[in-house]
Amino acid sequence: KQEVTQIPAALSVPEGENLVLNCSFTDSAIYNLQWFRQDPGKGLTSLLLIQSSQREQTSGRLNASLDKSSGRSTLYIAASQPGDSATYLCAVESGSARQLTFGSGTQLTVLP
Amino acid sequence: GAVVSQHPSWVICKSGTSVKIECRSLDFQATTMFWYRQFPKQSLMLMATSNEGSKATYEQGVEKDKFLINHASLTLSTLTVTSAHPEDSSFYICSARSWGTEYGPQHFGDGTRLSIL
Repeated sequence: KQEVTQIPAALSVPEGENLVLNCSFTDSAIYNLQWFRQDPGKGLTSLLLIQSSQREQTSGRLNASLDKSSGRSTLYIAASQPGDSATYLCAVESGSARQLTFGSGTQLTVLP
Repeated sequence: GAVVSQHPSWVICKSGTSVKIECRSLDFQATTMFWYRQFPKQSLMLMATSNEGSKATYEQGVEKDKFLINHASLTLSTLTVTSAHPEDSSFYICSARSWGTEYGPQHFGDGTRLSIL
């Protein structure tokens, strides 16, 4: 059974800092990995999707890397802003039903 | 594109009431829709996978007689929480996968916050 772990559970940084969020998964046989953002009481916003054959994806100040063999992914946020404050979820698609398994998230607070 | 609308966004009702939540794909056809539940401070847990025109597949531990799922068309799936109790209070989120891009990404609705008194 696929399990996804995210570290740290919470992170507080001053504005302007670069930061890294970590995600690990137990079964490396994945189709893809996604990073989502969730604001309090809201749904999910997809940030980046990395296919299993890819090593990284970039969108603006966000860069996500994938090391499938070791079961790890990182989300790098450059020059953080207060508007980046949210919970960031990592999810992997795997299994015969191609289901998404989510991590428990990292709650990020960027202080002005 | 790829917008998923979920309704209602928030509902409060008395214990014993049945509640229906709708999930619609607005600008694409979805052969498969997924229903997730999220308790406070926890991540999303898949409840069931819904395929148009067939019975839903429920995850282990999810009561299919309590959480009724209907996927009658390529743009609509509904989740009915029957005889809801306070322990069913949670955030329910649906997602949909485009028809024709069977292995494309899941597009998520904005969620429904259910509070049972």
